[in-house]
Amino acid sequence: GENVEQHPSTLSVQEGDSAVIKCTYSDSASNYFPWYKQELGKGPQLIIDIRSNVGEKKDQRIAVTLNKTAKHFSLHITETQPEDSAVYFCAATKTSYDKVIFGPGTSLSVIP
Amino acid sequence: GAGVSQSPSNKVTEKGKDVELRCDPISGHTALYWYRQSLGQGLEFLIYFQGNSAPDKSGLPSDRFSAERTGGSVSTLTIQRTQQEDSAVYLCASSSQTSQPQHFGDGTRLSIL
Repeated sequence: GENVEQHPSTLSVQEGDSAVIKCTYSDSASNYFPWYKQELGKGPQLIIDIRSNVGEKKDQRIAVTLNKTAKHFSLHITETQPEDSAVYFCAATKTSYDKVIFGPGTSLSVIP
Repeated sequence: GAGVSQSPSNKVTEKGKDVELRCDPISGHTALYWYRQSLGQGLEFLIYFQGNSAPDKSGLPSDRFSAERTGGSVSTLTIQRTQQEDSAVYLCASSSQTSQPQHFGDGTRLSIL
């Protein structure tokens, strides 16, 4: 079955710097890759997603890249702010598949 | 609001008691998921519903765990004879279909004394 790995498990950056979180997946048939942000005491919230027919997607300070050949996808946050501090989860799934497989999460701390 | 609603938000119970957790998905969402999140850990998949049927029950930890969904809407997760290791946050999510974004509730924080 699908397996998603995520690195690093913890990340600390200075405010204004960029943060990068990387994920790999095992099932080459996976074609949908969402990213979620979870703040303390809240459920995960979708922040951006990408499908396998594109290589990059950007939404203001957040971008995601996908390398289907290498089965890698990454989240890039630029000009980080303290409110970006949270746990970030990547995930992978495929059309007609029942289960979304989540990575183990990255705890991001943005230091003012 | 129009988001996923879970109740109760917090539940404290004694070991050995049964508990029932409720999830109200976003209206019209046919797919519904239950996850368990232990303190500081990732999301452990429990069960998935498409409509009222559960094609994948593989994540349920033991036969003390069961879930149902009626009318294609509300779902309940039941844990019988609770154990201390059942203490966790139980999250529910819904989506319009698989391979579409999941929308999560804020979870039920379950503590077993």
